[in-house]
Amino acid sequence: KAGVTQTPRYLIKTRGQQVTLSCSPISGHRSVSWYQQTPGQGLQFLFEYFSETQRNKGNFPGRFSGRQFSNSRSEMNVSTLELGDSALYLCASSPGLRAGELFFGEGSRLTVL
Amino acid sequence: EDQVTQSPEALRLQEGESSSLNCSYTVSGLRGLFWYRQDPGKGPEFLFTLYSAGEEKEKERLKATLTKKESFLHITAPKPEDSATYLCAVRGDYKLSFGAGTTVTVRA
Repeated sequence: KAGVTQTPRYLIKTRGQQVTLSCSPISGHRSVSWYQQTPGQGLQFLFEYFSETQRNKGNFPGRFSGRQFSNSRSEMNVSTLELGDSALYLCASSPGLRAGELFFGEGSRLTVL
Repeated sequence: EDQVTQSPEALRLQEGESSSLNCSYTVSGLRGLFWYRQDPGKGPEFLFTLYSAGEEKEKERLKATLTKKESFLHITAPKPEDSATYLCAVRGDYKLSFGAGTTVTVRA
């Protein structure tokens, strides 16, 4: 059974640009969550999608957005990038909503210059 | 706001030297406490779920326990392959909140 796939794995952007990250969940999983991981803040919850609807959102500015498609694949977008957005962005899937057992991808490492 | 505090931040062990990691938490309406392992450059990997005080779970050299305010992850006779960052997380009303993790290094 294939795991959670995130693309791209690495990317470099400059301040002011925008970025879109993609996540393909485990087959049959309908919930996708996104987390930002930095050395200083650890894992911070961004949002959770279930059945194409955002169900929960963390304390991030509106520059961070996401969506989920009918096949459960998800994308997140960060607009007007800032240096502080440099981080590992992790996607996790689970069969249902608000689960504790999450299956994580390997992440997309974003560097903002 | 839900809070999770893990200690110590880092732990260096000799192979075979048992130790424990601590996770203390405050959460409104605990819906589970979870332990994950994260290797460098990888996403976290689920280890255990604990729901109620007194509950214990074991997997190979790892044993997780839960009280009303904290959880412990005991590592018995660790091997170098147990080196990783161990993350604790609690499920509250709407999100999973993670601690900063304990980085364990086991020397042969």
